[in-house]
Amino acid sequence: SAVISQKPSRDICQRGTSLTIQCQVDSQVTMMFWYRQQPGQSLTLIATANQGSEATYESGFVIDKFPISRPNLTFSTLTVSNMSPEDSSIYLCSVQTGGNTEAFFGQGTRLTVV
Amino acid sequence: GENVEQHPSTLSVQEGDSAVIKCTYSDSASNYFPWYKQELGKRPQLIIDIRSNVGEKKDQRIAVTLNKTAKHFSLHITETQPEDSAVYFCAASTSGTYKYIFGTGTRLKVLA
Repeated sequence: SAVISQKPSRDICQRGTSLTIQCQVDSQVTMMFWYRQQPGQSLTLIATANQGSEATYESGFVIDKFPISRPNLTFSTLTVSNMSPEDSSIYLCSVQTGGNTEAFFGQGTRLTVV
Repeated sequence: GENVEQHPSTLSVQEGDSAVIKCTYSDSASNYFPWYKQELGKRPQLIIDIRSNVGEKKDQRIAVTLNKTAKHFSLHITETQPEDSAVYFCAASTSGTYKYIFGTGTRLKVLA
């Protein structure tokens, strides 16, 4: 299993600013992912965070808007840049310790942009 | 890309009855199918999963079936209890990328 610490748990931000979300795992993991979950909706994959290389983004998400870092096998950050109210959502990091195995989720960051 | 459809979006059952949630996936290369339960304000948690080389898996009151030909998989909950009330998500994953594509979710309400 994996224990994930994600912070901040929530934030209220002004439009046009940026917020960086951190995800710390208690063990080295191969795969880390970032998801967005809008209220009452499903989880949408933003990108796969690759250790030591650029993240792999899903359709509709771009690096300029959601830059991701993954400096090592236990840590990743997601930045939501130049925020607008449409970015208000819950952002979750997720890890898997092996291919096609259980995904563990952080507790999520509830972002409100005003 | 991969798409996962999930039905129904909401489901109400009487306590003790069974609940069935169905998902359909589009990518025939998908080979891992987990189900997650998400209670209000909490993170998703795995309740059961199935791999493509297995047709059915059971864990106490919860079972999952997979029909690879039809690209369908279903979650079955028997003897439902009020604490089963939550949102359930199916997902599909493929060897290589291992990313999950989630279904749209089913809000299950178990009435006491």
